[in-house]
Amino acid sequence: QVQLVESGGGVVQPGRSLRLSCAASGFTFSNYGMHWVRQAPGKGLEWVAVISFDDTNEHYADSVKGRFAISRDYSKNTVYLQMNSLRAADTAVYYCVKDVSEYNYIFAFDIWGQGTMVTVSS
Amino acid sequence: NLLLTQPPSVSGSPGATVTLSCTASSGSFAGNSVQWYQQRPGSAPTTVIYEDNQRPSGVPNRFSGSIDSSSNSASLTISGLTTEDESLYYCQSFDGSNSFVVFGGGTKLTVL
Repeated sequence: QVQLVESGGGVVQPGRSLRLSCAASGFTFSNYGMHWVRQAPGKGLEWVAVISFDDTNEHYADSVKGRFAISRDYSKNTVYLQMNSLRAADTAVYYCVKDVSEYNYIFAFDIWGQGTMVTVSS
Repeated sequence: NLLLTQPPSVSGSPGATVTLSCTASSGSFAGNSVQWYQQRPGSAPTTVIYEDNQRPSGVPNRFSGSIDSSSNSASLTISGLTTEDESLYYCQSFDGSNSFVVFGGGTKLTVL
């Protein structure tokens, strides 16, 4: 079945880095744009970043631009989120999410991972 | 800029039909699709409607979505309510004017 499994979360000090991974299965990974969406404790959903199906385009939310980088590895069917210069405000559950559109991305999501918690604290 | 407004809470009885609203109170959907996500306490969101009215496989046809362009609003209708439907529901769209993904604040559905 279609599945996204995140890993890499944890507790990190402010200013440090962390890399999240998302292993995809059950669909043709190379055909779909992939996103990261986060949710701070007790708060709503916030879109973070997208990478196109062919790795030619990336877009970021203003809140993470210049600090976070999204990438993908087709040999491992995995998408990554490199998070640098972390702040307390980045504390959230991070979800890996698949776009609904094949060979494009329309910022509509159909498959969600279970999430991985990132806590930024000294 | 697009802002999506959802009522904080809605309730219904088992077997009843409820409609959750999502209003573009600033801007409009402008041809961008609307999605609806269900989030049970302590769980990840799941998609119940995408591209205005499409159901992912496995989502029962008790869930339906619609758009009213005249009022800049989207609706999620759930019929035959069950206690399993008790969740937080978020609407989401895309603001093409500034390339922002926008989520509504969420509606808590209580099945009494």
